[in-house]
Formats: sequence, C-alpha cells, structure tokens
Amino acid sequence: KQEVTQIPAALSVPEGENLVLNCSFTDSAIYNLQWFRQDPGKGLTSLLLIQSSQREQTSGRLNASLDKSSGRSTLYIAASQPGDSATYLCAVSSEWWDDKIIFGKGTRLHILP
Amino acid sequence: NAGVTQTPKFQVLKTGQSMTLQCAQDMNHNSMYWYRQDPGMGLRLIYYSASEGTTDKGEVPNGYNVSRLNKREFSLRLESAAPSQTSVYFCASRVGTSNEKLFFGSGTQLSVL
Repeated sequence: KQEVTQIPAALSVPEGENLVLNCSFTDSAIYNLQWFRQDPGKGLTSLLLIQSSQREQTSGRLNASLDKSSGRSTLYIAASQPGDSATYLCAVSSEWWDDKIIFGKGTRLHILP
Repeated sequence: NAGVTQTPKFQVLKTGQSMTLQCAQDMNHNSMYWYRQDPGMGLRLIYYSASEGTTDKGEVPNGYNVSRLNKREFSLRLESAAPSQTSVYFCASRVGTSNEKLFFGSGTQLSVL
C-alpha cells in the first residue's frame, strides 16, 4: 500500500529565504507526483505535476524535483514571501490505469514578514 | 470559469439524518473524486469515478454512496449520518489520464451532532 509522508508538519521561516519542502513515498513505482497548495478554508490548487519520466518541473519561484528510486520529491521555493504562507501537499498516482491519488498530510508553511 | 462547484458550503446534521453533497464540473473532465479531510489524517479518498457510469471505492467508503449522474455531476450521499462523518468534503476532477492535473472544489464543511 502506497504511503506518502511529509516532514516537517509545520515550518516558519523569515521572508526572503529560500526553502525546501520534503515528500517521501513508500512505493517507487509511481506514475506521477503533484504538489498542491491549500489556503485556510479553501480547496487545493495544483502547483506542479512531475511525470515519472521527468526529474523536475519549474513554475516561477517554484521548482519541484523527483527521485523515484529513493522515493523522494522536494518543492523548492525561492525568495519566500508572506503570500506563500499556506499548507503544501504532495500526492502520487501509482499506475497509469489506477485512478487513485494518495496524498500526504501536508506541511503548514508560515513566512514571517 | 466555474471549474468544480460544490454545494452546500456548510451543513449541520443530526445523527441518523441523510443528505446528499452535490458536485459539478464544467471542464469536460472524465474522472471525478470525493475526498474527506480531517485534522491529523490528511485527505482520504472516499469514492471515485473514472468515467460516466462507473464508480469505485477508495480508502474510506463505508457509510457513503455515490452517483455519477452524468459526465458533469458526481454526488455523495450519507444515508444515516454519524458523528464520525464530521469532516470537510472535497470534490475533485481531472481530464482522465493520470498525467493531468487535479482540480478541486472549495469544499463542504459538514458537522454531525
């Protein structure tokens, strides 16, 4: 059974710092991995999707990497801003034919002004 | 752009009452999902529908039923609500292939007294 873990559960950093959020998964046979952002009281917004054949994806100040063999992904946020404060979740799809998507519990990020 | 629309946004039920959560998407997506989100438990898949006319159980299907009414609509029914079903419920959809991003509704906050 696929399990997705995100450590730490919460993180506070001063504005302007670069930071890395971590995601690990137990079964390396994934089809893709997504990073999401969730603001309090809101739904989730997909930030980046990395296919299993890819090593990384970039969008603006965000860069997500994937190492399937070690079961790890990282989300790098450059030059953090107070508006980046949110919960960040990663999720994996295990097979191309399997419509299940398994989520980690998220990292709650607080950027200090 | 409406995206994924969920109704109602808030609901309070008494134990034993029934209700249906509605979800509709206007993006011509094939796959639709119902998740529940609980503190400390993360997002857990209740049911999903890979296409119109098909539904499958997720991690926590007990106490719930679903209907894929047509391509746009996917409803979640609680036949006899229990306090353990107090949660935030999210509907999501995607095109259908595993390498497509997942889009979420804004959620329904349900309390069962």
